[in-house]
Amino acid sequence: SQELEQSPQSLIVQEGKNLTINCTSSKTLYGLYWYKQKYGEGLIFLMMLQKGGEEKSHEKITAKLDEKKQQSSLHITASQPSHAGIYLCGADRRGDTGRRALTFGSGTRLQVQP
Amino acid sequence: DGGITQSPKYLFRKEGQNVTLSCEQNLNHDAMYWYRQDPGQGLRLIYYSQIVNDFQKGDIAEGYSVSREKKESFPLTVTSAQKNPTAFYLCASSTADTQYFGPGTRLTVL
Repeated sequence: SQELEQSPQSLIVQEGKNLTINCTSSKTLYGLYWYKQKYGEGLIFLMMLQKGGEEKSHEKITAKLDEKKQQSSLHITASQPSHAGIYLCGADRRGDTGRRALTFGSGTRLQVQP
Repeated sequence: DGGITQSPKYLFRKEGQNVTLSCEQNLNHDAMYWYRQDPGQGLRLIYYSQIVNDFQKGDIAEGYSVSREKKESFPLTVTSAQKNPTAFYLCASSTADTQYFGPGTRLTVL
């Protein structure tokens, strides 16, 4: 089965600083999802990337999928306390036995200090 | 408002008891999923259903059971056979492109 490695595991930044979270797959990604989670709550969908080289942005968050479709990065510009939480990448397992569930990385815990 | 609801938010169970977690969606999605999340870890797939009256085991199905009698509902039963059931349980449903999650149920075994 596919494994996803996220780095770093945790991150503390000062408000206003930029940051990047990485997600690396051992296999080609059919679809790569980024979610944000507040502690003890459900996952909030951020973005989904499918095509090699694809880049999407929403407000101050930009996600990219590399040309080989094995690595994705999530970049936050001018971080704010509202960006704090756990960021999870998930990979579409469609190519793995044909089912549509997601495989997740272990998450990156982000703290933003005022 | 369309969305996914899970109940209860917190659940306490004594060892040896079965317990059922509710998941309801009004998004008209065919596919639904149950994941388990342990502290500091990502989500692991328990069961999934792509259509009514059909469901498949995920990676960690032992000690769990599900049913899918209605499109809107996908309840998960945690049985006494599950050796380490204390965790955060998340239900999801999906369109062709995106998977949406409910708010989760935190189960604690006393």
